[in-house]
Amino acid sequence: GAVVSQHPSWVICKSGTSVKIECRSLDFQATTMFWYRQFPKQSLMLMATSNEGSKATYEQGVEKDKFLINHASLTLSTLTVTSAHPEDSSFYICSARLAGLYNEQFFGPGTRLTVL
Amino acid sequence: GENVEQHPSTLSVQEGDSAVIKCTYSDSASNYFPWYKQELGKRPQLIIDIRSNVGEKKDQRIAVTLNKTAKHFSLHITETQPEDSAVYFCAANDAGKSTFGDGTTLTVKP
Repeated sequence: GAVVSQHPSWVICKSGTSVKIECRSLDFQATTMFWYRQFPKQSLMLMATSNEGSKATYEQGVEKDKFLINHASLTLSTLTVTSAHPEDSSFYICSARLAGLYNEQFFGPGTRLTVL
Repeated sequence: GENVEQHPSTLSVQEGDSAVIKCTYSDSASNYFPWYKQELGKRPQLIIDIRSNVGEKKDQRIAVTLNKTAKHFSLHITETQPEDSAVYFCAANDAGKSTFGDGTTLTVKP
């Protein structure tokens, strides 16, 4: 089946620093990737839709200047959390849509971000 | 936008019993309804899905039903086992974009 990887799996950083998370589709090309954030004991909340070669579409309430998304190739999307603060600590999960398949998404393993 | 409601938020059953989780959605454009199982600290795992042109689908102990008119769909797990304990999420998907329910924490007591 389709495999999506994420790197790093966990990261601890100081408040004010920026953190980059990578999402890769390993064995298929993904024109569309999605970034979700999940707080403890809560559901997955869609942050943005990342389209290869174009600007990402952000959900209401998500600051595009704080969460920078780049989808430069058909297999890689990156999320950069700029000037991270403790309230940004969360589980970030990406997913990739397999082109041609009936809307199925394949999730990455997630990245646990802790901002001190 | 799409709004998905999921009930119950917690469900405790005895091993061997059945478990039912229900979801409703608001956007008639949604046409794909996956169900995910998520264990603590891990990614959601697709366990079953149903498309809008199908009313029911079954895979061993797991089944899903969809009522497009009423905009609701349900997950049925029969003969539950302790390893079924996890958080289950429903989702409504339109053009690849999924909106998730709030999740149901299922506990299966041995």
